[in-house]
Amino acid sequence: KAGVTQTPRYLIKTRGQQVTLSCSPISGHRSVSWYQQTPGQGLQFLFEYFSETQRNKGNFPGRFSGRQFSNSRSEMNVSTLELGDSALYLCASSLATSGEEQFFGPGTRLTVL
Amino acid sequence: GQSLEQPSEVTAVEGAIVQINCTYQTSGFYGLSWYQQHDGGAPTFLSYNALDGLEETGRFSSFLSRSDSYGYLLLQELQMKDSASYFCAVRDGFNKFYFGSGTKLNVKP
Repeated sequence: KAGVTQTPRYLIKTRGQQVTLSCSPISGHRSVSWYQQTPGQGLQFLFEYFSETQRNKGNFPGRFSGRQFSNSRSEMNVSTLELGDSALYLCASSLATSGEEQFFGPGTRLTVL
Repeated sequence: GQSLEQPSEVTAVEGAIVQINCTYQTSGFYGLSWYQQHDGGAPTFLSYNALDGLEETGRFSSFLSRSDSYGYLLLQELQMKDSASYFCAVRDGFNKFYFGSGTKLNVKP
């Protein structure tokens, strides 16, 4: 069974631009969560989607948004990029919203210049 | 607010036993999870405790005390490949996940 895939793996943007990251969950998994990982803040929860609905949202500004498609694939978008948005963005999938075992993708390393 | 506390770094020798503690403060609580992350890699699931007590999976065990808002991950017969960062994570009453800042485990020969 293929794991969670994320594209692109690396991305360089400049301040003010916007970016869209993509995540394909494990086949059959309907829950997708997004996390931001930085050396100083650790792993921070961005949002969780289940069956195309945002189920939960972390404490991030409205510049961070996401969506989930009918095939469970998910995208997250960050608009008006700031230097502080430089981070590793991780996507994780699980079978259900109560699934405690989350399977993480390799992440997208975003650098904002 | 929500908070999880775990030591930032632990060093142990090969073959030894190490315990990584995690204390948490959340609004509501479903359970405590542990993840391992090697440098440059993605976090991988290790264990989950919803009820008090010890869960054992091979060389790794995880413990939870809900009344003390405390848990730990116990790694036995340490191997060099266990050198990684270990995160505790909690799902709160609003179904949001919170991760600790991670404990970097250094295993020395």
